[in-house]
Amino acid sequence: DAKTTQPPSMDCAEGRAANLPCNHSTISGNEYVYWYRQIHSQGPQYIIHGLKNNETNEMASLIITEDRKSSTLILPHATLRDTAVYYCIVRPRDGQKLVFGQGTRLTINP
Amino acid sequence: DAGVIQSPRHEVTEMGQEVTLRCKPISGHDYLFWYRQTMMRGLELLIYFNNNVPIDDSGMPEDRFSAKMPNASFSTLKIQPSEPRDSAVYFCASRGLAGGNEQFFGPGTRLTVL
Repeated sequence: DAKTTQPPSMDCAEGRAANLPCNHSTISGNEYVYWYRQIHSQGPQYIIHGLKNNETNEMASLIITEDRKSSTLILPHATLRDTAVYYCIVRPRDGQKLVFGQGTRLTINP
Repeated sequence: DAGVIQSPRHEVTEMGQEVTLRCKPISGHDYLFWYRQTMMRGLELLIYFNNNVPIDDSGMPEDRFSAKMPNASFSTLKIQPSEPRDSAVYFCASRGLAGGNEQFFGPGTRLTVL
């Protein structure tokens, strides 16, 4: 069972920051927050993960609240190619399984 | 590296036929995963291997499904006999220290069972 809750869809204008929320109120101490995305007709793609500190890489930033019950994935300058379904997943760092929920369908509009 | 390679990319077969899907993981990765994606059920993990050994097959829907990994560079997912409800996109993914220990997915095989 997916342990996360995400809005089913969101829209964002091209060039603006896309902020995707995720609730994971039952997250346990050894579980990380992972984000993957799936562009149409492709396999899922890893984006970023974090435990409790904010993280940033070349693709996105991840902001995790202090109580760790929610997080936000930020795409700083969204492009049309960022249109995809974004999945928020919680998992122990040494766990193997990824349990995918329904994700958020993000549409970037020109 | 070419990434995870899956074949065929598309497969159309008739009910009752045997179907074999193939996967070549990224070189050096020691975990291999098989997923299935449908509109109704989303992305589901079917089975995963570590060092060619099946670790968890609890997601395999029934005995008609079987998976093997005879060596570190090849895995198969077989459905025998196939049924229309098996129609889905099947993804293979691999994971290893060389990739930062995250799962890398292949392009998928779209299976249609008539």
